[in-house]
Amino acid sequence: GDSVTQMEGPVTLSEEAFLTINCTYTATGYPSLFWYVQYPGEGLQLLLKATKADDKGSNKGFEATYRKETTSFHLEKGSVQVSDSAVYFCALSDHSGGGADGLTFGKGTHLIIQP
Amino acid sequence: DTEVTQTPKHLVMGMTNKKSLKCEQHMGHRAMYWYKQKAKKPPELMFVYSYEKLSINESVPSRFSPECPNSSLLNLHLHALQPEDSALYLCASSQDPGTGGRNQPQHFGDGTRLSIL
Repeated sequence: GDSVTQMEGPVTLSEEAFLTINCTYTATGYPSLFWYVQYPGEGLQLLLKATKADDKGSNKGFEATYRKETTSFHLEKGSVQVSDSAVYFCALSDHSGGGADGLTFGKGTHLIIQP
Repeated sequence: DTEVTQTPKHLVMGMTNKKSLKCEQHMGHRAMYWYKQKAKKPPELMFVYSYEKLSINESVPSRFSPECPNSSLLNLHLHALQPEDSALYLCASSQDPGTGGRNQPQHFGDGTRLSIL
């Protein structure tokens, strides 16, 4: 079956530091890849997505590149802010069955940014 | 602002009560989902509706009963829940993959935080 593996936190960084959160996946088909962010007390917000190999998703200074050869989709940001403190989920959708299907999530990475 | 609206935001109920969670979207999406999320865990899929028909039931206990009365609404009826059912219940929607929505993301509501006494 499909699976997503991501580094578990908490990850603690100082403001303006460089961020990398690693994500690797296994899938039976050709998946689409997503990063979602969850702030305390809220639902999941789509941060960025990529649908085919070498696609780069980007949003709010965050980037991730779909690497089919390494089955990875690492999240990066050049300079983090306190407001980036949240839980980040890497996820994939496979649709190998042809219809709507649930997302497969990693376990989530709790990011803490200190001033 | 989320485009998927869930009500209520919080719900406390006893084990013998009957209540319903509601979800609404007006993005024209024809696939809708229920997820359960326990603290410090990722969301777990419960049900998938495609064109108002139940397409996936992830072996969810019968005390959870989903309903999709029209293309914009999704309900989750609750009856005789157990304390371990306390969690955040998330609704999501997306374009149906069969109609060009294969690569489209799911959009989530803010969830209903459910506590079972």
